Amino acid sequence: QTVVTQEPSLTVSPGGTVTLTCASSTGAVTSAYYPNWFQQKPGQAPRTLIYGTSNKRSWTPARFSGSLLGGKAALTLSGVQPEDEADYYCLLYYGGAWVFGGGTKLTVL
Amino acid sequence: QVQLQESGPGLVKPSQTLSLTCTVSGGSISSGSSYWSWIRQPAGKGLEWIGRIYTSGTTNYNPSLKSRITISLDSSKNQFSLELTSVTAADTAVYYCANNEGYWGQGTLVTVSS
Repeated sequence: QTVVTQEPSLTVSPGGTVTLTCASSTGAVTSAYYPNWFQQKPGQAPRTLIYGTSNKRSWTPARFSGSLLGGKAALTLSGVQPEDEADYYCLLYYGGAWVFGGGTKLTVL
Repeated sequence: QVQLQESGPGLVKPSQTLSLTCTVSGGSISSGSSYWSWIRQPAGKGLEWIGRIYTSGTTNYNPSLKSRITISLDSSKNQFSLELTSVTAADTAVYYCANNEGYWGQGTLVTVSS
C-alpha cells in the first residue's frame, strides 16, 4: 500500500516563511507524480492551490509556491498571513490512481 | 465559472448502496479532456481519493475500494455519479466531487447507520 507522508503539524509566525513537504513511500517524488496541493479551512471544502508540481490556479495567492525539494514535493508560503492557518493536503499520482497525504495542520502564531 | 453540487441521501443503511450525484453548472461535463473525481473525508480525518471518470468514460478507482465502486457520467444531464455498494459505518464521511480544473463541490455528509 502506497503511503504519502506530510508533516502532521507546523507553526509559523505571521510574515514568516514555511515549507510543507510531501514524501512517497515508493521513493523520490518527481514531476511524474504530478503533485497537487490543497488548502482546507474548518467547515469548508478543500481549495486547490497548486497542480502539476508548481502551477497555480487563478485564485492562488502569489505567496504560495510549489516545487520539488530533496526528493519530495514542497509547498512554500512566503509572507504568511493569519488567514493561511489551515490544513494542507498534497496529492500524488501513481499511474491511474491518486493518493492523498495525511495533511499538515499549519498554525500561524 | 464552473460550479459543482453534490446531492443524494444523507443516511444509508449498512449493507446497502450509497448513490451520489454531482451536478455541473457553468460548463459542459463533456468538454475536452476533463475528468471528474470523487473524494471523501471522514469526520476529523484526512482526504481519501475515491476515483475519477474521463469525458471518454474511462475510469480509475482507488484500489482499496475498487470492488465496490462505480462512477458514471450522464452528459445529457451534465452530471456524474458515484455508487458504493455494501456500505458500512466506515463509509460515513463527507463526499466531495471535483474536476481537473481545481473546482470542488461543497460536499455532502453521508451517514451509514441503521
